[in-house]
Amino acid sequence: GNSVTQMEGPVTLSEEAFLTINCTYTATGYPSLFWYVQYPGEGLQLLLKATKADDKGSNKGFEATYRKETTSFHLEKGSVQVSDSAVYFCALSGTGGFKTIFGAGTRLFVKA
Amino acid sequence: GAGVSQTPSNKVTEKGKYVELRCDPISGHTALYWYRQSLGQGPEFLIYFQGTGAADDSGLPNDRFFAVRPEGSVSTLKIQRTERGDSAVYLCASSAGETSTDTQYFGPGTRLTVL
Repeated sequence: GNSVTQMEGPVTLSEEAFLTINCTYTATGYPSLFWYVQYPGEGLQLLLKATKADDKGSNKGFEATYRKETTSFHLEKGSVQVSDSAVYFCALSGTGGFKTIFGAGTRLFVKA
Repeated sequence: GAGVSQTPSNKVTEKGKYVELRCDPISGHTALYWYRQSLGQGPEFLIYFQGTGAADDSGLPNDRFFAVRPEGSVSTLKIQRTERGDSAVYLCASSAGETSTDTQYFGPGTRLTVL
C-alpha cells in the first residue's frame, strides 16, 4: 500500500544551521506530495506542496523537490530560526480516493 | 476570516459510552475531512465529505464510527461504545477544492480520552 517514511526526531539545531528532513514514499500512480507543519499550540498547516515530478515547492525559506527516481521529497532550509521549532509532517495524496497519507512527523528544536 | 473550529477541545469519557465531536468548516468550503492522530504519529484519514455526502469513508476503522454532514456545512463524528484504543486527537479539515491535492485547512482538534 501507499506509505510515507520520514526521519525520526527530534532534530536539534543551532540558529542559522542548515536543515534537512528526509522523506521517502511508496505509492502507486503519481501522487502529490506535501509538507505540513505544526507549531506549538497551533493546528496543522500546509507548508508547501509539489504535484508532479521535478516540481519544487517553496515557502518561508523552506524548499522540497519531488524526485520520482528516488521517491523522495526532502525538506530543506538554508538557515533555520528559533521560530521554526515545530513538528514537520511529510504527506502524499492523489493516488485514488481522497486519502492523504501522513508520515509520523519529525520534531525540530532550534536553539538560539 | 474564521478558520476551522472544533468542539469540544477536550473530551473525557468512560469505556462503552457514546461521544459526538463537532467540526465547523470554513464558510463556503464544500470538502470536509476527518482524521485521527495518535500520540507520536501523523494524522490518519477517516472520512471525506463533498457537500452532504460521504464520498470516501474507507478510513473508518469499524462500524462504531460514523460521521454526518446533513446540510453540507457542520459535521459530526460519532463514536459508539468507545474503547480505550479510541483515545486520540481527532482533527477536522476543510477545503474549497474537490480533490485531496487541494489545500486543506485544519482545525485545532478534539482530544478524546477514554478511561
